[in-house]
Amino acid sequence: QVQLQESGPGLVRPSETLSLTCTVSGYSISSRYYWGWIRQSPGKGLEWIGSMHHSGSTYYNPSLKSRVTMSEDTSKNQFSLKLSSVTAADTAVYYCARLKEDSVMVAEYWGQGTLVTVSS
Amino acid sequence: EIVMTQSPATLSVSPGERATLSCRASQSVSSSLAWYQQKPGQAPRLLIFGASTRATGIPARFSGSGSGTEFTLTISSLQSEDVAVYYCQQYNNWPPRTFGQGTKVEIK
Repeated sequence: QVQLQESGPGLVRPSETLSLTCTVSGYSISSRYYWGWIRQSPGKGLEWIGSMHHSGSTYYNPSLKSRVTMSEDTSKNQFSLKLSSVTAADTAVYYCARLKEDSVMVAEYWGQGTLVTVSS
Repeated sequence: EIVMTQSPATLSVSPGERATLSCRASQSVSSSLAWYQQKPGQAPRLLIFGASTRATGIPARFSGSGSGTEFTLTISSLQSEDVAVYYCQQYNNWPPRTFGQGTKVEIK
């Protein structure tokens, strides 16, 4: 059974970079599946951030693309999210997910989520 | 940009009764429509994909229908554990928008 766990700072200062890691157990991230990040805030609801594959293929939400980078560390079976130049609008619960086979946007397995607050 | 609109915002249903949730896309998304269930304090859970295919382990009382721009999620006999917010998601077109705003299902 695949399990995912997000980790990272719960508080980030405005204009700095938000960095989160998703640790995957029970399945290799070097597989045929895509892996994704989704966030949820009271004001904007659920928002897809991006999806990535071990092959190097990535898809980023156009509204965030200039600030987002997703990467992987196969030795630790982890993938990561970096979001630069954050503002209060980036305050949200961030989820990592394994996507459904042959999909870049259907989240089949989710982490429990981690709250990130942007504040000085 | 596709906009997903869910209705109603809140649905109150008696235990054992049918719950019908609607999702409308501003343009056709074919059958590229998923439904998720989110209980308080939990991550969303995938219920339905391809508009009508139940995900692994999802009870048969959950069913999805529709194509194009009009979709429905039906809970045939509401159980107390079904109290949650339900989201539809189109995956025919890449973001920025993909999810609806959600329908909260509560027990009457």
